[in-house]
Amino acid sequence: GAVVSQHPSWVICKSGTSVKIECRSLDFQATTMFWYRQFPKQSLMLMATSNEGSKATYEQGVEKDKFLINHASLTLSTLTVTSAHPEDSSFYICSARDGDRGADNSPLHFGNGTRLTVT
Amino acid sequence: GQNIDQPTEMTATEGAIVQINCTYQTSGFNGLFWYQQHAGEAPTFLSYNVLDGLEEKGRFSSFLSRSKGYSYLLLKELQMKDSASYLCAPMDSNYQLIWGAGTKLIIKP
Repeated sequence: GAVVSQHPSWVICKSGTSVKIECRSLDFQATTMFWYRQFPKQSLMLMATSNEGSKATYEQGVEKDKFLINHASLTLSTLTVTSAHPEDSSFYICSARDGDRGADNSPLHFGNGTRLTVT
Repeated sequence: GQNIDQPTEMTATEGAIVQINCTYQTSGFNGLFWYQQHAGEAPTFLSYNVLDGLEEKGRFSSFLSRSKGYSYLLLKELQMKDSASYLCAPMDSNYQLIWGAGTKLIIKP
């Protein structure tokens, strides 16, 4: 089945620094990847849709200059949290549909998530 | 608006059967997904329904009634490892998944 790899699994950084999270589709090409954030006991919140070769689409309320997304190839999208603050501490999860299968209603496959702690 | 309603928490006994209900309201509909999420982990795909009726996959079955905006996930022969949150996620007319907080299922021996 489709596999999405996310790295790192967890990261601790100091306030004001930047953190990059990578999301790779290992056995399929993903023209679109989705970045979610999840706070404890809350639902997944879509932050942005990453589009290969073009600008990401951000959800309302998500600062595009703070959460930089780059989708330079069909298998890799990166999320960079810039000038991190303690309130950015959360569980960040990427996901993708198997682009080779094409259908918009294909299931999302999730990476294992990145737990970010900003001190 | 778009809305999902699931029980916050359910408790069941190992070896038993449990049904997790979900009602939803979306702008358009392109099917409904069920995901399992263990604490501290990312969701994993369980099932997808787009037509009315029951889809069976091993110990797990999922049911959909589009006219009622209703779905359920049925788990049989419960095992301790089934303790997790179960997320009902309908897909709207833009093929966007709508996420609720899910149902936390606690399995007791």
